[in-house]
Amino acid sequence: DVKVTQSSRYLVKRTGEKVFLECVQDMDHENMFWYRQDPGLGLRLIYFSYDVKMKEKGDIPEGYSVSREKKERFSLILESASTNQTSMYLCASRPPPGGGFASPLHFGNGTRLTVT
Amino acid sequence: AQSVSQHNHHVILSEAASLELGCNYSYGGTVNLFWYVQYPGQHLQLLLKYFSGDPLVKGIKGFEAEFIKSKFSFNLRKPSVQWSDTAEYFCAVTSSSNTGKLIFGQGTTLQVKP
Repeated sequence: DVKVTQSSRYLVKRTGEKVFLECVQDMDHENMFWYRQDPGLGLRLIYFSYDVKMKEKGDIPEGYSVSREKKERFSLILESASTNQTSMYLCASRPPPGGGFASPLHFGNGTRLTVT
Repeated sequence: AQSVSQHNHHVILSEAASLELGCNYSYGGTVNLFWYVQYPGQHLQLLLKYFSGDPLVKGIKGFEAEFIKSKFSFNLRKPSVQWSDTAEYFCAVTSSSNTGKLIFGQGTTLQVKP
């Protein structure tokens, strides 16, 4: 069974801090994703990566960056945390698209980040 | 703009009632459609998916969904809900026109009363 592990379940940071959210998957998946989940807004895609050293912006990349130095690890970075980045952050992975992006995503348990 | 819309934000049902949750998308091209569920305190799990073939898709726990291409819809159904179906449900779409990004709807919270 695929395991996607997010390093922290809960995190509290101060405004202006640089924040690292780590995600590791154990199934050698090429594709990895970062979403944030907010009530009434569903999941919104921040960044994704189709392979090592590759990254693509999602729908809401502002204020975030990512790093994919190894296939199994995809890090989300908040360069200077702000209160509007308080949210639940979800990491996901997926095997290569193959024929048409039909493979489902496997999600981690999420990191609830509070910025004060 | 390309989007995924779930019309019902909060649904309350009694046990044994029938369920239908709406999902519409606005993407062109070849689409793959998914329903995910998030039970309280748990991570997102796949309920079912459509990628080709029979537009009526059956998933886990008695759920099914019907892809109606002409209506750009993928509604989720269950004939008789149980208290354990209380969860948040998300519709999601990938499309050949959006490089395979999985885009989610806003989610529907289902509360089933025993």
